[in-house]
This record gives sequence, C-alpha cells and structure tokens, in this order.
Amino acid sequence: DTEVTQTPKHLVMGMTNKKSLKCEQHMGHRAMYWYKQKAKKPPELMFVYSYEKLSINESVPSRFSPECPNSSLLNLHLHALQPEDSALYLCASSPGPQETQYFGPGTRLLVL
Amino acid sequence: AQSVTQLDSQVPVFEEAPVELRCNYSSSVSVYLFWYVQYPNQGLQLLLKYLSGSTLVKGINGFEAEFNKSQTSFHLRKPSVHISDTAEYFCALDTGRRALTFGSGTRLQVQP
Repeated sequence: DTEVTQTPKHLVMGMTNKKSLKCEQHMGHRAMYWYKQKAKKPPELMFVYSYEKLSINESVPSRFSPECPNSSLLNLHLHALQPEDSALYLCASSPGPQETQYFGPGTRLLVL
Repeated sequence: AQSVTQLDSQVPVFEEAPVELRCNYSSSVSVYLFWYVQYPNQGLQLLLKYLSGSTLVKGINGFEAEFNKSQTSFHLRKPSVHISDTAEYFCALDTGRRALTFGSGTRLQVQP
C-alpha cells in the first residue's frame, strides 16, 4: 500500500456541528501532517506529528483539534468552525522527519 | 526565515513546446527543495526533489529541475509538454524543520 487515504472526500457542516476528518497510511511512515489549502492558494501547514507525538502546531485555533491514535492514523476534530475555515484539508506522511512528504487527495470542507 | 517565490502565476504554452517554471528561494540554512503538481480537485503529487548531490534532478512525467545555489533557484523544465500537463505546480522547501514552505504556485495551461 503506497498511498495516503482521506475520508470523507467532501464535508458540509454548520457552525455548531462537531465532525472529524480521517487520514490513514500503511507505508510505515512515522511523521504525519495536516495542511489547509484555500482556493487558488498554496497549502499552509497546520500540525506535524512525529512518532505519534505532536511536534509542530502552527498557531492553529483551538476549534481544530488533531489526534494521532496510532502510527497509521491521523484525525482532525472540528468544532464550532467558521465559514472562513472552508478549504481543502490535506494530509501527508513521510518515512521520518525531514523526509519526502506524500499527500492524500484531501477533504473539501464547506462550513455554512 | 525561509521563503519561496514563484514569479509566474500563470504560464500558457502550446502543446509540444518546451516550458520552464521558475522558483527562487531564500534561506539562511541548507534546504531541501521539491516540486509538486496538483491536478484539479486533487491532492499534491511529488514530481521531483533535491536533497543533495547532483544539481540536475530528474522526476516523473519527463520533468527535470536544476538546483543553482549561487542564484538560489530551482527551476522546473520539460522539453515538450502535453495537454495532460495542465495543472498547478508548487515549488516547496524544507530546512529540516519537518515543515514544507510552499511558493504561491504556477498554473501551467497547455493549449492545443
């Protein structure tokens, strides 16, 4: 298995909803990442997990809560989002820190 | 702080013509450099990377890039493009912090 999978592909949620994004890889990678990409903009780093521990949090609002239950799985829990949080959320993984990152297809999120 | 500049937001080119997408970077430390491609409504796919060694790097789909330390550049080239190369191309760097910094992207539009 040489890919990063993300579910769901699309998500529409209200500002009072709680939802979660899921990312999975079975390549034995030990670093996983969340990026946010607004339309016609480059991806922006949100969080980095290294060996299942949060190592980088790029000053992301607390309404985004990451979780890494095991080395293959990365979640992003969403609560009380704002319409400006609508974006493509990309997950990536790499064999280890400072190694090439491989991206999933993303979850396109719309907050109403 | 490090940064990546992609001067051309759009590059129109005719099919079978050569193309060069420009990327310049700024960093006070050594960098790893990457080119990613993003097709519409998809995630990012790695085209090629420079970590060390030979400054001419060959990637997938006939693309290549040359690392030029004195000019702090990492331009992407292809000798003959196809319609299927139409996509957004992102240059990115990693200073070893385990976080990618992306340029603003270049939209390659291949015309018949």
